Parts: sequence; C-alpha cells; structure tokens
Amino acid sequence: AQSVSQHNHHVILSEAASLELGCNYSYGGTVNLFWYVQYPGQHLQLLLKYFSGDPLVKGIKGFEAEFIKSKFSFNLRKPSVQWSDTAEYFCAVNNIGTYKYIFGTGTRLKVLA
Amino acid sequence: EAQVTQNPRYLITVTGKKLTVTCSQNMNHEYMSWYRQDPGLGLRQIYYSMNVEVTDKGDVPEGYKVSRKEKRNFPLILESPSPNQTSLYFCASSQAPPGPITGELFFGEGSRLTVL
Repeated sequence: AQSVSQHNHHVILSEAASLELGCNYSYGGTVNLFWYVQYPGQHLQLLLKYFSGDPLVKGIKGFEAEFIKSKFSFNLRKPSVQWSDTAEYFCAVNNIGTYKYIFGTGTRLKVLA
Repeated sequence: EAQVTQNPRYLITVTGKKLTVTCSQNMNHEYMSWYRQDPGLGLRQIYYSMNVEVTDKGDVPEGYKVSRKEKRNFPLILESPSPNQTSLYFCASSQAPPGPITGELFFGEGSRLTVL
C-alpha cells in the first residue's frame, strides 16, 4: 500500500537551531509533494509544494524542501527556527492520476525560546 | 474572504444518533474531501469528490456517507456514530482535482467530534 513516513514524531529545538524533518513515500510513479503546517488550535496551511522542475523548492517563512527522487524523499529544512515555528508538520503525497492525498503521521516541533 | 467553513466546530453526541457535519467553500473549487485526524495516525482521507454528483471512497470510509449536490457544499454524514469515530475532522477543497497540474488543499478549521 502507498504510504508516507515521517520518521521524527517529536522534535525539540532551541531558537536559531537548524531544522530538518524527514519524509519518505512508497509510491514509485510520478507524484506531487506537499508540506503542510498546523499551528496549535488551527487548521492546516500549505508551507510548500513540488510538482515538477527544480527539486529544491522554497516556501513561506524561510522553509525549503528538497525532492530526491532516487531516495523517494522530500525533506523539509529551515536554517534557523523561531519560537513561532512551534507547530505540527505534515508531509503529503498525491500520486498523479489518482484523486487521493496521503498524509504522513506528522512531526510535532517545539521550539524553545 | 476565501475560506472553507465547517459546522459544528465542536460536538458531543451519543452512539447511534445520526449527525451531519457541514462543509462549504466559497472559492468555486471542484475538488473537496474529508479527513479525520487522530493522534499518531496523521490525516486519513474519508471521502472525496471530484465535482458535483461525483464522489468516491478514501482510505477510511466505513461508517460515513457524503453527498455533493452543489459545488460549494460537501456534508459528511454519520448515520449511526460509534465511539471509534471520535476524532477531529477536516474538510478541504482544491481548485483542481489532484493531477499533473494540481492545486493545494485549503482546509477548514476542523470539527471536533466526541461520540459517547
């Protein structure tokens, strides 16, 4: 079955530390890839997305992600986190040709001031 | 303001009492879908709709029904709720169905449902 794995369930960082959250998917075909963020008590919002082209995509609030097709990965990065980045982060995959999005289990990030 | 609106936001009900969670979007989006969010399981897709009168099952459709009679509305129906349907539910919409040129999902604020 198709799946999305987020290996880090909980991450705690100090402000200004660098962040990398892992995301791997199991589908071998063409995919669209997304990272969503859910701030405490809020709905999910899009951070960034990859459809095609440059595998390094930049999103809002200084986040970026790199698509590595050979590793089936789409890791999220930020060079220097802020307290306001405390949130839950979800990786999602859409297989081209289907109408389904598959989400990872999420990573809870806590940034200490 | 472009938005996806869900109601109710919070609901406590009892086993077997039919309920409907409404979802409405004002962006003229074709694609709409429902998800449930449970701790440690992330978001799982319940049902989705590619357009009016076109719906299909997601990964966890058991115990749920949907309808899409109008483009803007996509209600989620629990005919006979059970405690294992206690969850946080999100409705989402997208301009285009997922595909080679796809849009992002816009999410509603969520509906927290407790079934006793």
